[in-house]
Formats: sequence, C-alpha cells, structure tokens
Amino acid sequence: SSELTQDPAVSVALGQTVRITCQGDSLRSYYPSWNQQKPGQAPVVVIYGKSSRPSGIPDRFSGSRSGNTASLTITGAQAEDEADYYCSSRDSSGHWVFGGGTKLTVL
Amino acid sequence: EVQVVESGGGLVKPGGSLRLSCEASGFTFTKAWMNWVRQVPGKGLEWVGRIKSETDGGTTDYAAPVKGRFTISRDDSKNTLYLQMNSLKTDDTAVYYCTTGIWAGDGTVDYWGRGTLVTVSS
Repeated sequence: SSELTQDPAVSVALGQTVRITCQGDSLRSYYPSWNQQKPGQAPVVVIYGKSSRPSGIPDRFSGSRSGNTASLTITGAQAEDEADYYCSSRDSSGHWVFGGGTKLTVL
Repeated sequence: EVQVVESGGGLVKPGGSLRLSCEASGFTFTKAWMNWVRQVPGKGLEWVGRIKSETDGGTTDYAAPVKGRFTISRDDSKNTLYLQMNSLKTDDTAVYYCTTGIWAGDGTVDYWGRGTLVTVSS
C-alpha cells in the first residue's frame, strides 16, 4: 500500500511531550518528512531524514521510525506548535505520498 | 535562500484550462526535481506530479486523478516550472503548491511555495 495513516487529532498540555504517529508500508523503506502547517500558511518541514531538523527548527522536535511506523515527538510543546502535521514519504514508484494530517491542539 | 513562487491561479469554469507557473531561486534549478502538490481548502495534501531534471531524463509522473489532463513542464533558461491544467473539474479546486527537495547532506529537505488558489466553478 502507498498510503500513510495518521490520527486526525491529538492534544497536549503546554510544556508536556506529545507524539504524533504515521503508519504505512513505504516507511519500511523510506524515512518520512514531517510537515507543519499553520492556518493560512504553506507547509514547512520540521523533520527530515533519520531525524534531522532544517535550520531554524527548535530542537524540541525529533523523529523516529520503527518498522512501518514513524513518530514525530515534540518535547515541551509550546503554544506556537499548535498546527496541522503531515507526514510524507516516497512510495515504491517514486510518487510522493502524504498522511491525512494530525491536528495538534496545545491546551 | 531557496524560494519558489507560484502564480497563475484564478477562477475557471468546468472544462476549462489554466496554466500555473512557479519561479525558482536560491538553488540550482537545472539539477532539481520539481513537484506540484495541491490542497483542497480545509483538507489534506495531495501530490499532483513531478518532473525530473533534464540531466535525469526530464520525465514526468502524475497522480491518477490528474493523469491525461495535467502536464508538467519546465524552462530551465527561466528557472520556471509550469503546470498546464486542462479539462478542469470542480474537484480540482485547491491551493496548488510548487515544491522541490534539496539534498542537505543527511537527507532531502522539501521547500514549499506559498501556493496559488485555483477555483473551478460555473
């Protein structure tokens, strides 16, 4: 299957740790990227590769992968982390596939 | 700084055509594989298609919903990517993003433009 599955919504108390997961067969072969999208804005990559962060992304964001499941962890969530998070990967055809997105609410 | 800027969106009737452009800067466009991704307002992200660099063959690939109706092309002399959309349907209404992946040494970082809105409606 070339689909990626995410929980639709997750909430976290301010300053606590939250994990957002993504499942799919392509993740056995390819590391995902995690894309953060705030309302009215374009997506921005927060994690790519094994668990790398682009310049400017806080180190409270980290990634991991085990089997067909990848996780984005935010350690010490901040109010500004409230957003939609999409995992993305390539499938065996080289096509780009996306998860359905997880809406993160910071309480 | 890597930048991609989309343009060309607007209102078009069902069955009509529209061409989107994406101007790139801050990276070696001639070597880049470029993608189009779309997002229905309030919904998730959907890959539309990709064009490889000319040195990698310049070939295109499309998602099933747009195959045969959409065409991706590039003009390396202008650092510009195009998306020709024909036989448009109301389901094609979305924000269209231009994206590229840049090798960062430990993986590929995808860069996104701000997007351009295409509305297909009578």
